[in-house]
Amino acid sequence: QVQLQESGPGLVKPSETLSLTCAVSGYSISSGYYWGWIRQPPGKGLEWIGSIYHSGSTYYNPSLKSRVTISVDTSKNQFSLKLSSVTAADTAVYYCARRGLGGLRSAFDIWGQGTMVTVSS
Amino acid sequence: DIQMTQSPSSLSASVGDRVTITCRASQSISSYLNWYQQKPGKAPKLLIYAASSLQSGVPSRFSGSGSGTDFTLTISSLQPEDFATYYCQQSYSTSYTFGPGTKVDIK
Repeated sequence: QVQLQESGPGLVKPSETLSLTCAVSGYSISSGYYWGWIRQPPGKGLEWIGSIYHSGSTYYNPSLKSRVTISVDTSKNQFSLKLSSVTAADTAVYYCARRGLGGLRSAFDIWGQGTMVTVSS
Repeated sequence: DIQMTQSPSSLSASVGDRVTITCRASQSISSYLNWYQQKPGKAPKLLIYAASSLQSGVPSRFSGSGSGTDFTLTISSLQPEDFATYYCQQSYSTSYTFGPGTKVDIK
């Protein structure tokens, strides 16, 4: 059974860099699939942040691209998110998720439980 | 970016009701449309992918239809555990976007 678990600081200061990790169990990232990050501000909808393949190939939300870096560590079977120069608008629950195999099967089919990150001094 | 809209934004329904939620894309996305259910404090759950394919383990009372720009999620007979917020999401463009959500609550 594939499981994803987010981890990282719950509080980040404005202008600093938010860093989160998603640990994958029950499946080897090196075997395939894309993996992604999605966030949800309190009381609001879902926003895709970006995705990465096990090879390291990435694609990002254009509105966040200048501040986002997603990386993968196949030796630890995990992938990570860095979001720089954060403001209060980046306060959200951050989810990691697995994207399907591609083509018409590109939905996010497995999700982590989410982790709340607050940006405040 | 492809913009996604949903209607209604919220609805009240009773157990046993047939519920229909509409999602519209700002341009044609073929059948690259997915539906998720989210309950308070929980991660979204995939219900439907490729507009009409039921995700494994999802009850058959959920169905999806549509192609191009207009899509529908139907719950044939609403159950108590179906009260939640539903989101559509396009995967036609790799800049994935979600609809704003439709909250289904108890009448």
